[in-house]
Amino acid sequence: DAEITQSPRHKITETGRQVTLACHQTWNHNNMFWYRQDLGHGLRLIHYSYGVQDTNKGEVSDGYSVSRSNTEDLPLTLESAASSQTSVYFCASSESIRQSAFFGQGTRLTVV
Amino acid sequence: AQSVAQPEDQVNVAEGNPLTVKCTYSVSGNPYLFWYVQYPNRGLQFLLKYITGDNLVKGSYGFEAEFNKSQTSFHLKKPSALVSDSALYFCAVRDGGTYKYIFGTGTRLKVLA
Repeated sequence: DAEITQSPRHKITETGRQVTLACHQTWNHNNMFWYRQDLGHGLRLIHYSYGVQDTNKGEVSDGYSVSRSNTEDLPLTLESAASSQTSVYFCASSESIRQSAFFGQGTRLTVV
Repeated sequence: AQSVAQPEDQVNVAEGNPLTVKCTYSVSGNPYLFWYVQYPNRGLQFLLKYITGDNLVKGSYGFEAEFNKSQTSFHLKKPSALVSDSALYFCAVRDGGTYKYIFGTGTRLKVLA
């Protein structure tokens, strides 16, 4: 069955370190998204991509970057982790605007 | 700009009673509206969507939602709540220009036995 997987599921890192969160989907969807979930804020969009070599900033993109070298993967990189980036991160993918998005299980990141 | 509001942080309902989780939206153009549910330590799961057509949309697990264009609302409903419905519910609108999902802040539903 097609799926979307995130790794790792849990990560503890130190302030200032570079961290990469992986997202892999097997639906061959063009659209992929990264969100962070924080209490009181719901889900906020970090970056999104419409296809290979395409990336776009969301509403909370500062301190994060993504790259899209193939259809299946959209890794999220924290250039220099900060305590404010402690959060739960979700990756999602969808095919068209009329379709629902499929979400990964999430990565809980703690920056100490 | 597109936005979604979920005015209630938490909704409590007794098992067997009907439930409503409220959502209002603001969009330019035609709205594409979605409801998702999140169980503890899990990702979001799709419940239902409104794209076009009938204002009453039926989805998974007995949930339904009513699209009301004049009130710009898309409330989630279920005729008879189950304890297992207790979860965090998110309303979302899809931006017609960018394909982005814009989420509300979520409503925690607690169904009491």
